Amino acid sequence: NAGVTQTPKFRILKIGQSMTLQCTQDMNHNYMYWYRQDPGMGLKLIYYSVGAGITDKGEVPNGYNVSRSTTEDFPLRLELAAPSQTSVYFCASNDGGSGYTFGSGTRLTVV
Amino acid sequence: RKEVEQDPGPFNVPEGATVAFNCTYSNSASQSFFWYRQDCRKEPKLLMSVYSSGNEDGRFTAQLNRASQYISLLIRDSKLSDSATYLCVVSISGTYKYIFGTGTRLKVLA
Repeated sequence: NAGVTQTPKFRILKIGQSMTLQCTQDMNHNYMYWYRQDPGMGLKLIYYSVGAGITDKGEVPNGYNVSRSTTEDFPLRLELAAPSQTSVYFCASNDGGSGYTFGSGTRLTVV
Repeated sequence: RKEVEQDPGPFNVPEGATVAFNCTYSNSASQSFFWYRQDCRKEPKLLMSVYSSGNEDGRFTAQLNRASQYISLLIRDSKLSDSATYLCVVSISGTYKYIFGTGTRLKVLA
């Protein structure tokens, strides 16, 4: 049982480049989330999804997009990367009301 | 005012000590409460849920005080391996979103 799998683990982007952070879960959870964590700061919700085909914005959605075509996958797209998007990105899932299971994170640096 | 507030610490305690952290939340519609542990450069991991009646898991005890809007985590007989950042997490009734505190850092010293 892999839980929540995120790829890549590390990435360096140049300003203006785009990339997709992948997230897959094998627990059949309906709810999935993307957070970013900046040094010394709490986790900030970027986007979330309550089921396939349904997504909604969190606290800090600007500069990001998501899709949820299947229950398992919830990719996060960065368009026109900016230095302010340098962060650690965590994907998480749960079955609603329970604690989250997090992926191991993607460390992104934009230079 | 932040929705979830924690003392950032660090709390430096000797092995075997008892240590307690508090976390306050501002939204009275808060519904579910959790403590997570996060090791340096790792993902947060669920430590325990917090129930109204209080609950215990080995050396860890969690309490909820709805009247005063805070939750607490007590760690007894601290181990070196307990050194980590402890995150307080609150969910808001009617939403699917959880609010994370910025964490309290614990260092257990030999």
